[in-house]
Amino acid sequence: ETGVTQTPRHLVMGMTNKKSLKCEQHLGHNAMYWYKQSAKKPLELMFVYNFKEQTENNSVPSRFSPECPNSSHLFLHLHTLQPEDSALYLCASSQLAPGYEQYFGPGTRLTVT
Amino acid sequence: QKEVEQNSGPLSVPEGAIASLNCTYSDRVSQSFFWYRQYSGKSPELIMSIYSNGDKEDGRFTAQLNKASQYVSLLIRDSQPSDSATYLCAVTQPFGNTGKLIFGQGTTLQVKP
Repeated sequence: ETGVTQTPRHLVMGMTNKKSLKCEQHLGHNAMYWYKQSAKKPLELMFVYNFKEQTENNSVPSRFSPECPNSSHLFLHLHTLQPEDSALYLCASSQLAPGYEQYFGPGTRLTVT
Repeated sequence: QKEVEQNSGPLSVPEGAIASLNCTYSDRVSQSFFWYRQYSGKSPELIMSIYSNGDKEDGRFTAQLNKASQYVSLLIRDSQPSDSATYLCAVTQPFGNTGKLIFGQGTTLQVKP
């Protein structure tokens, strides 16, 4: 256990559904991240939150909507997804200095049908 | 040119041998360098971080950094079958107050008994 938890661990949803992914970190970090990992592709950074403020939106489609109510919790709201959005969604957290070592949660395996 | 490049492998070594994993990066301002291990179906696990030129040893693992050549490597001594995994190289670039982590596509290591 890294101190970063994610729920649910597996999710199957239709293209018209709305669902949310949850991430919680117990490490006292002040930055949180969403990544997408698809087969045969490098990890893709989606969003960065720094002290609850979004500091990076890496050209992510609007059908993905992040929310960070405090430094310990991060959500990813999903709506009208496409089958190509099926992937492993990973949450990570870090301190802001000195080396920004990021620790990952176990991930949510998302399947869009 | 990819920002972080790794040979995807698979790299196959016999049990007890030294496994050598290599990574090059393109941005000279990169400051922090990490190696993550990812087992199939699991999330990345941080195993080594290195910030200055030279070697850093931790148990059976040694990370090597050469900023002039923009090269970072990971050596695994006395390789065990349990080391069989994908190894991800990651590089942090200064990004405001939050380090943006760029990942390579990973090298798959197979340790044969």
